Amino acid sequence: DAGVIQSPRHEVTEMGQEVTLRCKPISGHNSLFWYRQTMMRGLELLIYFNNNVPIDDSGMPEDRFSAKMPNASFSTLKIQPSEPRDSAVYFCASSSFRGNTEAFFGQGTRLTVV
Amino acid sequence: LAKTTQPISMDSYEGQEVNITCSHNNIATNDYITWYQQFPSQGPRFIIQGYKTKVTNEVASLFIPADRKSSTLSLPRVSLSDTAVYYCLVATSGAGSYQLTFGKGTKLSVIP
Repeated sequence: DAGVIQSPRHEVTEMGQEVTLRCKPISGHNSLFWYRQTMMRGLELLIYFNNNVPIDDSGMPEDRFSAKMPNASFSTLKIQPSEPRDSAVYFCASSSFRGNTEAFFGQGTRLTVV
Repeated sequence: LAKTTQPISMDSYEGQEVNITCSHNNIATNDYITWYQQFPSQGPRFIIQGYKTKVTNEVASLFIPADRKSSTLSLPRVSLSDTAVYYCLVATSGAGSYQLTFGKGTKLSVIP
């Protein structure tokens, strides 16, 4: 398996524009997580899904952020409108959690909002 | 959710054993303790997990006392490539999954 695949790897956008980050989890995994990492705030859990259903979205910073998982092989995180303070590395992770707490992370998307 | 506390940073010489202790005073009965490692510009990577007593794998050992309010990650004979941030997490089960909430982590610097 190719692992968790995130796209794009880098995104530079202007303030006010819509940004969509994409994630393809590992086949067979039924849990998917979105994280945001900055120097100031560290790794923050934004939202996680189990069997395509959002379980906890309390980490989503505000209504400008939304996440969807239309099927088991694809998820998106959308920011509309984007702001400079959204600049961060966004990670997607997936897991089957069969007897362990191991989650597999993608390479991340580095978002810069100017 | 159980909050974790661990040292912000540690230094060690190559070849030494490194022990990183984490406290998690309000851990719940069904929670697991799990540790992740993160290198710069990469996503975190699972190292080890445990529920109680001692767990060992090819990379590390995890020691958990009976009250489970703390845990210690032990890295034997570290090398320069072990320089990374190490996160202690309490994995909280629910809805058929685990919620993985990362704290600040411990930045380990291995010195030649």
